Amino acid sequence: LAKTTQPISMDSYEGQEVNITCSHNNIATNDYITWYQQFPSQGPRFIIQGYKTKVTNEVASLFIPADRKSSTLSLPRVSLSDTAVYYCLVGEGNNRLAFGKGNQVVVIP
Amino acid sequence: DAGVIQSPRHEVTEMGQEVTLRCKPISGHNSLFWYRQTMMRGLELLIYFNNNVPIDDSGMPEDRFSAKMPNASFSTLKIQPSEPRDSAVYFCASREGQGPGYEQFFGPGTRLTVL
Repeated sequence: LAKTTQPISMDSYEGQEVNITCSHNNIATNDYITWYQQFPSQGPRFIIQGYKTKVTNEVASLFIPADRKSSTLSLPRVSLSDTAVYYCLVGEGNNRLAFGKGNQVVVIP
Repeated sequence: DAGVIQSPRHEVTEMGQEVTLRCKPISGHNSLFWYRQTMMRGLELLIYFNNNVPIDDSGMPEDRFSAKMPNASFSTLKIQPSEPRDSAVYFCASREGQGPGYEQFFGPGTRLTVL
């Protein structure tokens, strides 16, 4: 499994754009990059997935540089309800994914 | 669809007792995953099934843990005997298919406390 490295936690003010980075230096050719979000007392939920360049959906954008050794999840204009743990996962076909501890994002009023 | 259903939502038991956690995946999903979440270790994959067959159980911590999936709509995770260090939130997740594009859908979790 490709290992990922994320900051443990970060704070952001309401209304700002939040960029969460993830390092995955040993990503394999067939690996996809997937992000999940977990609110307190809930199970994680899928946010976005990408292979290269940029992917955007109604929730977030995912930026992946050409070497694919890192990725950045961008949350536009966060609100208090975006306070959650964000997991960056790397794997082939969404099989055995290592969630780890994720990145605790706290949105401050 | 009601989503992934787990029961019980909370379980408090004493050390040495048998604990059985239950999961009903989303109808039509052919993969099922069991995870454990603790503050120390984060969210760990214990085992996953494809078409009711266990594919990878390398995350199961020890022989006290066992998981079964007798049919496509039901799975159990059993701990016997339970120990205080098993206290955690256990999540079940299911997925419709394999490969990119198939996300995992998680249940609400079972919070287990072993005294």
